[in-house]
Amino acid sequence: EAQVTQNPRYLITVTGKKLTVTCSQNMNHEYMSWYRQDPGLGLRQIYYSMNVEVTDKGDVPEGYKVSRKEKRNFPLILESPSPNQTSLYFCASRNGQGGQPQHFGDGTRLSIL
Amino acid sequence: GENVEQHPSTLSVQEGDSAVIKCTYSDSASNYFPWYKQELGKGPQLIIDIRSNVGEKKDQRIAVTLNKTAKHFSLHITETQPEDSAVYFCAASRGAAGNKLTFGGGTRVLVKP
Repeated sequence: EAQVTQNPRYLITVTGKKLTVTCSQNMNHEYMSWYRQDPGLGLRQIYYSMNVEVTDKGDVPEGYKVSRKEKRNFPLILESPSPNQTSLYFCASRNGQGGQPQHFGDGTRLSIL
Repeated sequence: GENVEQHPSTLSVQEGDSAVIKCTYSDSASNYFPWYKQELGKGPQLIIDIRSNVGEKKDQRIAVTLNKTAKHFSLHITETQPEDSAVYFCAASRGAAGNKLTFGGGTRVLVKP
C-alpha cells in the first residue's frame, strides 16, 4: 500500500530536549515536505526537499532542521524544542513529475512543555 | 509571497443541501489549486484540483471553479452526506509541480442528518 509513515504519532516532551520525527514514503517520490498545522492558520510549510541531498526552507523554518540522505526518508529535527513548536506536524511526498499531488502522512502531534 | 484566505471557517448544512467554500489568493502567478479533506486523526487527502487553464472541474458531487481575474476559487459539494463532515483546505501554488503549497486556514464542515 502506498503511504507516508510518520513516527511517533504523539509525543509530549520538555523544552530543550532534542527530538526527531521520522517520515518515510514507499512510493519512490522525489519530493518531500514538512508542514505544521495550527488552528486558523492552515498548514504552513517548514522545509522541503526536491531530491536526495537537496533541501530548502519553507515559510516557517526557524527552530527546525531536516536531512535527506535517502530518497525514502525525510526526518524533521528539533534541536532545542520550545513551547511555540507545540503543533500538529505533517510530512508529505510527491512524484517529481509535473502536476502530481502531494500525499500526506497521518500527522504527529507534538507537545512541548 | 502567496497569501490564501478561506471562508467560512465553519459551515453547518443539512444533509442533502449544498456546501460552498470560497478562497482568494494574492499571487497572480499561482496556477495550481488543490482542495484537501482532512478527517479526524488523519492527514489531508486530495479531493480535487484545478489548474489555471481550466475554469471549472467536476468529480461526481464535488466541483471547483476558478476565476483568475478575481483571483478566487471555490469548492462546491452537492447533495451533502454525513461522511462529508470534515475540515477542508484550499491551497495555491506556482508552477505545474505544486511543490510549494500555500494553504488557507481551513473550513470545518458539519453535515447534520
